[in-house]
Order: sequence, then C-alpha cells, then structure tokens
Amino acid sequence: DIQMTQSPSTLSASVGDRVTITCRASQRISSWLAWYQQKPGKAPKLLIYKASSLESGVPSRFSGSGSGTEFTLTISSLQPDDFATYYCQQYNSYSPFTFGPGTKVDIK
Amino acid sequence: QVQLVQSGAEVKKPGASVRVSCKASGYTFTGYYMHWVRQAPGQGLEWMGWINPNSGGTNYAQDFQGRVTMTRDTSISTAYMELSSLRSDDTAVYYCARDRYSGSSLLDYWGQGTLVTVSS
Repeated sequence: DIQMTQSPSTLSASVGDRVTITCRASQRISSWLAWYQQKPGKAPKLLIYKASSLESGVPSRFSGSGSGTEFTLTISSLQPDDFATYYCQQYNSYSPFTFGPGTKVDIK
Repeated sequence: QVQLVQSGAEVKKPGASVRVSCKASGYTFTGYYMHWVRQAPGQGLEWMGWINPNSGGTNYAQDFQGRVTMTRDTSISTAYMELSSLRSDDTAVYYCARDRYSGSSLLDYWGQGTLVTVSS
C-alpha cells in the first residue's frame, strides 16, 4: 500500500500568515492527491483535488501544488476560520487509498 | 443539495455488532459509490471500504476483511455498514462519504458521523 506522510504535524501561525503544509507519498501517484480540512467535531471537507484543483466554494486563498511524490497545500493569508486539521489523501485507483496523518494548524 | 444523514450514536459491548446507516438525498443514490471511513478519538482517518449502490458490489480494506459488511437499500437511498466482533479499539466516529467519480475514492460529501462506543 502507498504510505502518506505530512509535515509538520502541528503548525502554530497567526492570522494573515502564509502557511504551507507538505505531503509525501511512498510511491508516485501522479496528481491523484486531495486535501481535506477538518474542524473539531465535524466531518472532513474537500478543499483540493487532483493536486491543484480548487473545490467549488472553497476560498481562493487555498491552493495546492505538486505531482509524483511531493505535494503542498498553501494558505496565502490565514483566516480565523482556517484553524483546523488538514489531511492529504492519495486516490490512486490501483491501490487502497490512504490518508496522511494530518497537520493541525493552531493559533500562535 | 446533496445530504448524507447518518444514524445516531451507539454504545455496544465487546463482541457485539453494530450497524450504522447513511441516508442519501439530493442526488441519484445508485450513481455514486459510498465509502465508510472511521476516526478513533484524537486520531486520523482510516478507510474501511466502499459499496457500489447500483450493483451491491463491495471492496473492503484488508484490516476489516471478515468483520465488516456493507449493504444498501436502494428503495430508501440508504447505505449500511455493519461491524462485528467489536473491540474497545473500534470506538470511533464512523463516517459515510460519497465518491465523486465512483471508484476514484475522491470523497466530496460526508455524513455528519456516528459515534460508536465499545465498552463493557
């Protein structure tokens, strides 16, 4: 199975900061990478798919990039609503899909 | 609008089984695979498997083979996940989630989650 790692595991930032989260896959997955946001007590929400496509309704301050084995999620200017945990997910159809361990973004 | 509404919280004893339901609305139920994902307290997301509501075909994660059964009732647009031989480490929130491209595993809509507590 493909293993996913994320860094950092926790990130402390302030409103207005530019934030970058990295996700790495143990094998090449082309661009089959999604990012989800999860707030406490809530279900995950799809933000980005196919590595860089913004889901409808998601603010443009979120962006994704990368291909192969290394990917990033960037929040250009952190807003109060963005404090949450972020998960990457590979969805290569030839392998059971897996989530990364998550990155918690909290208030500095 | 697409909605997935799950059944309420459950408390079960070790060794018992639990069945969680997920009622879909706002789209054609048989047109999209349904996945189940769980999250233990304070932990990450763990994929359990999917069901094709059209054919009833299933694909289970290896870790749950033999213990999980996913079914559906197309007449009421509802998917079910049953987990048997429950252990304390099955305590988790269980989510259903729709697969945007049926088999892609890109999960675009999620249920609100069902807390299953396993305790003697």
